[in-house]
Amino acid sequence: ELKVEQNPLFLSMQEGKNYTIYCNYSTTSDRLYWYRQDPGKSLESLFVLLSNGAVKQEGRLMASLDTKARLSTLHITAAVHDLSATYFCAVDANAGGTSYGKLTFGQGTILTVHP
Amino acid sequence: GAGVSQSPSNKVTEKGKDVELRCDPISGHTALYWYRQSLGQGLEFLIYFQGNSAPDKSGLPSDRFSAERTGGSVSTLTIQRTQQEDSAVYLCASSSRGGRQETQYFGPGTRLLVL
Repeated sequence: ELKVEQNPLFLSMQEGKNYTIYCNYSTTSDRLYWYRQDPGKSLESLFVLLSNGAVKQEGRLMASLDTKARLSTLHITAAVHDLSATYFCAVDANAGGTSYGKLTFGQGTILTVHP
Repeated sequence: GAGVSQSPSNKVTEKGKDVELRCDPISGHTALYWYRQSLGQGLEFLIYFQGNSAPDKSGLPSDRFSAERTGGSVSTLTIQRTQQEDSAVYLCASSSRGGRQETQYFGPGTRLLVL
């Protein structure tokens, strides 16, 4: 059974600081997703990482994937209040070949950015 | 363009009643997914439809849950004889299946409360 674990689960940051959220998963997969969820809202896609060594950046967020270590990171640079949200990583349960899109999600990291 | 829509946005029902939740995917998307988000279990995969193929029902928690997708578009998730543990946010997502980078786009969800 595929397990996806994020840490930390709660992250309180000051504006302007940097931090990294980690996502570990238990079985081979080359497809990993990061989503953002604001309170009371649905999930917004941030990144899709499709191969070992993939790195994607959007604004103050950068995501990377190491399939050998079964690890993805979401790095936050110079945090601002607007980044406060819950961040989920999700792994496609079918490794390689044809993906069936059955995502297994991490527990989520609740990020709060303070002035 | 229009995103994934779900109805109702909120549903309160009494234990033992049946409920139907509706999902309208993004036009042209052939893949449709249902997930459930609850405090205790996090985000869980329920069922997946792809074109005319048999759905992947492996995530349905019991035989009280069923789903159908008519005409390859709209989907209905039915929960029979609801229980209090069914209270959760039910999220629908769709993807195009047109390429390898198959982001799943999520709807706003239906908040179900079983009294």
